[in-house]
Amino acid sequence: NAGVTQTPKFQVLKTGQSMTLQCAQDMNHEYMSWYRQDPGMGLRLIHYSVGAGITDQGEVPNGYNVSRSTTEDFPLRLLSAAPSQTSVYFCASSPSGILYTEAFFGQGTRLTVV
Amino acid sequence: GESVGLHLPTLSVQEGDNSIINCAYSNSASDYFIWYKQESGKGPQFIIDIRSNMDKRQGQRVTVLLNKTVKHLSLQIAATQPGDSAVYFCAENIRSGGNTPLVFGKGTRLSVIA
Repeated sequence: NAGVTQTPKFQVLKTGQSMTLQCAQDMNHEYMSWYRQDPGMGLRLIHYSVGAGITDQGEVPNGYNVSRSTTEDFPLRLLSAAPSQTSVYFCASSPSGILYTEAFFGQGTRLTVV
Repeated sequence: GESVGLHLPTLSVQEGDNSIINCAYSNSASDYFIWYKQESGKGPQFIIDIRSNMDKRQGQRVTVLLNKTVKHLSLQIAATQPGDSAVYFCAENIRSGGNTPLVFGKGTRLSVIA
């Protein structure tokens, strides 16, 4: 199994540009989430989804949109990139419900906004 | 503020010694805790987890201790090796009655001195 796959691995954007970070998982997990990681900080939750068609905001949702049309995919959209969104972005998935299992992470997307 | 935090941002240990990484949490409703290891340029990798109905759990060279009275979590690594050098995060969430997003601490960087 591929697990959680994120694309692209690296991206440079100009201020004001839009783009979509892709995340796909092949483990049939219902729960998916996006985090950003800044230097010296832990992972902060942007948006998450408990299943297809359901999304919710995390700690730092401003400037980002998500959708969950399928179980496998959970894209993160930057509507108008800002330098403050320069960060490393991680997608994670896990089984939903009361299963006590860990979340699986992708390898990350390093985004630079100039 | 964050409900999960770490006492020490950096930890240096001699190869072969034991390492102890600490974590404090403030949400008494959290019932599931995970330790992740993150190597440079990679996504977080699962190390070990523990449910709130346990005080201790052991894996291969790693042990997690949970003290619910003082809301404290620790990760012990036996016979630390150079390959253990990484940033370690603790994370918490609530699994019973639903699946809340993982909340991460800021991380501790472990440096192993050969």
